[in-house]
Amino acid sequence: IAGITQAPTSQILAAGRRMTLRCTQDMRHNAMYWYRQDLGLGLRLIHYSNTAGTTGKGEVPDGYSVSRANTDDFPLTLASAVPSQTSVYFCASRTQGRSTEAFFGQGTRLTVV
Amino acid sequence: GDSVTQMEGPVTLSEEAFLTINCTYTATGYPSLFWYVQYPGEGLQLLLKATKADDKGSNKGFEATYRKETTSFHLEKGSVQVSDSAVYFCALLFLQGAQKLVFGQGTRLTINP
Repeated sequence: IAGITQAPTSQILAAGRRMTLRCTQDMRHNAMYWYRQDLGLGLRLIHYSNTAGTTGKGEVPDGYSVSRANTDDFPLTLASAVPSQTSVYFCASRTQGRSTEAFFGQGTRLTVV
Repeated sequence: GDSVTQMEGPVTLSEEAFLTINCTYTATGYPSLFWYVQYPGEGLQLLLKATKADDKGSNKGFEATYRKETTSFHLEKGSVQVSDSAVYFCALLFLQGAQKLVFGQGTRLTINP
């Protein structure tokens, strides 16, 4: 089934541990995004990538890193998790262009304890 | 920087009431504007879009007009249904340089029968 897949669906993580959230799309979209969703704060952009091999910082990049080795995959890494990174994380992708919509994964619920 | 501001929620209405959710933006150039909807337990999906001034996006009875003079993109529906209960996000696609897609804080809408 074409679309965008995130893994894991949920995770409880001890503070200080390293964690990689996976995101894969099979739509050959150029652009990919990572957001975190917190109650009352909406969706905040963490990092983005307009094409394979390039990445950029969003609104809240601190404590997170990304890579874009190929078109399909855009993993998000928390090097040393802290409780404030407890959130729901959404990955999205879209083709570049003025009117193209973004497609979202189902989200990863991460709890850092 | 580029940003989106939505009216704060939550919003509770009775079925068949008129709905307006305000959205204003700050951006250089001419961004594209979107409304996304998130139903309970799901990821976001595109509701409607507009790519230039005075464009009207519409879908499922919802409408929004790109108003450059007031930098607004308010969402309206003439008669809401219980099934419209969801969280609504206004979004801006920044097109100069990196194509960043940024979202407002979301407005939770509850429709009572």
